[in-house]
Amino acid sequence: KAGVTQTPRYLIKTRGQQVTLSCSPISGHRSVSWYQQTPGQGLQFLFEYFSETQRNKGNFPGRFSGRQFSNSRSEMNVSTLELGDSALYLCASSLWASGGSIDTQYFGPGTRLTVL
Amino acid sequence: KQEVTQIPAALSVPEGENLVLNCSFTDSAIYNLQWFRQDPGKGLTSLLLIQSSQREQTSGRLNASLDKSSGRSTLYIAASQPGDSATYLCAAADSNYQLIWGAGTKLIIKP
Repeated sequence: KAGVTQTPRYLIKTRGQQVTLSCSPISGHRSVSWYQQTPGQGLQFLFEYFSETQRNKGNFPGRFSGRQFSNSRSEMNVSTLELGDSALYLCASSLWASGGSIDTQYFGPGTRLTVL
Repeated sequence: KQEVTQIPAALSVPEGENLVLNCSFTDSAIYNLQWFRQDPGKGLTSLLLIQSSQREQTSGRLNASLDKSSGRSTLYIAASQPGDSATYLCAAADSNYQLIWGAGTKLIIKP
């Protein structure tokens, strides 16, 4: 069974631009969560989608948004990029429940975003 | 507000040693406690998940314990190997089912 895939793996943008990251969950998984990982703040929860609906949201500004499609693939978008948005963005999928609290989460390799 | 702390931040031990990684959390009302490992340039791999009603979980050479009353979890690695070198993270699921993460312990096993 294929694992969680994320595209692109690396991205370089400049301040003010916007970016879209993509995540394809493991086949059959309906929950997709997004995390931001930085050296200073560590791992922080962004949001979680289940059946095309956002079920949970972390404490990030509205510039961070996401969506989930009917095939469970998910995208996250960051508008008006700031230098502080440079981070590793990780996507995780789980079979059913909310954010891996019941089911194990399976992580993708991440997208490394650099904002110049 | 839940806070998760991992000590030490880094640990270097010779191959073959048994070792313990520590994780503490401030709010005992957790849903579960999970341990992950992260290899450089890669995503996270789930190691063990302990439900709040459980005291420990085991997988191979790994054993994780949970003591909600003291706000602590430990990950025990037996007979460490160079392949165990990675960053180990613990995460507590709060009442909203969100994972609150520790900063991780970077483990180096010397051959």
